[in-house]
Amino acid sequence: KAGVTQTPRYLIKTRGQQVTLSCSPISGHRSVSWYQQTPGQGLQFLFEYFSETQRNKGNFPGRFSGRQFSNSRSEMNVSTLELGDSALYLCASSLLGSYYGYTFGSGTRLTVV
Amino acid sequence: DAKTTQPPSMDCAEGRAANLPCNHSTISGNEYVYWYRQIHSQGPQYIIHGLKNNETNEMASLIITEDRKSSTLILPHATLRDTAVYYCIVRVGGQSNYQLIWGAGTKLIIKP
Repeated sequence: KAGVTQTPRYLIKTRGQQVTLSCSPISGHRSVSWYQQTPGQGLQFLFEYFSETQRNKGNFPGRFSGRQFSNSRSEMNVSTLELGDSALYLCASSLLGSYYGYTFGSGTRLTVV
Repeated sequence: DAKTTQPPSMDCAEGRAANLPCNHSTISGNEYVYWYRQIHSQGPQYIIHGLKNNETNEMASLIITEDRKSSTLILPHATLRDTAVYYCIVRVGGQSNYQLIWGAGTKLIIKP
């Protein structure tokens, strides 16, 4: 059974640019969540999608957005990149109502220069 | 805001039991405690979760105090591959609409 796949693994962007990250969940999982991980702030919840609808949202500015497609694949977009957006972005998928939490991907390491 | 408090780091000898404490004194009655670990450069990995009763699986045991204000994750026979950051997490929300509130984690180093 394939795990959660995130692409690309590494990305370097210039301040002011925008970026799109992709996440393919485990087959059958309809919920996809996104997290930002930085050394200073730890793991912070960005948003969660279920059946193409945003169900939960963390406390991030509107520059951070996402969407989910009918096949459950998800993308997140960050516009007008800032140096502080440099982080590991993690995607996790889960079954609705699963008590076994999330299965995480290996993440996309974004560096803004 | 984080709902858990953990020591920032711990050491354990290989082959011994690793006991990782977590304080969650503000936890509500229907909020589960989850444990994940993150090995360097990988995504977090689920370990175990519980509500009130102690739990055990092939990876670890979870001991939750009767007042639910703290818990301990036990890795019974630690190996070098168990070196990782261990996160104690509270799950808030209902069964179909929940969030995991992550703490800062404990960096566990297993020494030969």
